[in-house]
Amino acid sequence: AQTVTQSQPEMSVQEAETVTLSCTYDTSESDYYLFWYKQPPSRQMILVIRQEAYKQQNATENRFSVNFQKAAKSFSLKISDSQLGDAAMYFCAWEGGSEKLVFGKGMKLTVNP
Amino acid sequence: DVKVTQSSRYLVKRTGEKVFLECVQDMDHENMFWYRQDPGLGLRLIYFSYDVKMKEKGDIPEGYSVSREKKERFSLILESASTNQTSMYLCASSPGTGDSYGYTFGSGTRLTVV
Repeated sequence: AQTVTQSQPEMSVQEAETVTLSCTYDTSESDYYLFWYKQPPSRQMILVIRQEAYKQQNATENRFSVNFQKAAKSFSLKISDSQLGDAAMYFCAWEGGSEKLVFGKGMKLTVNP
Repeated sequence: DVKVTQSSRYLVKRTGEKVFLECVQDMDHENMFWYRQDPGLGLRLIYFSYDVKMKEKGDIPEGYSVSREKKERFSLILESASTNQTSMYLCASSPGTGDSYGYTFGSGTRLTVV
């Protein structure tokens, strides 16, 4: 079965600095999708970024970018110029074409002013 | 701008009660999902549906059932609520077009069984 691992349960970052959230996954499939979701205290899960495994280019969305290493099965999220509103739970997720997402256990990010 | 609506934000039920959690989406999505979220365990898939009247078990279906009589509505049923079903329940939907763009989530229902 596919698994997604977020090894760091919590991290903190100073406002305006950069932080990287790690995620690894295990799959035997060659074509799949990877996602990062953000869940603020309001509980609404928000899609941050999406990566298609067959694309070499790393996805970016404004201050959010990923480092996708397919051979290493690694998918880290970099948040640049961290803002107080970035404080949330972050979940990494994998999907292999069935449209069923497999989630990691999540990581709590604290942003210090 | 409401996309996926879960009928209750907080719910308190007694052990042994039959509990219905309702989810409605207005995006004409084919797929709908129910997840359970617990601290340190992430999100775990309970049931999902790719079509009306269709349902499939996820990873933790025991103690739950679902109903999808209409495309826009996907109900999660706890046949006889137990305290170990105290949790956050998240409903989600996706288009079902083949290309995966992730889910749209509801705001969650925090269920407490006493």
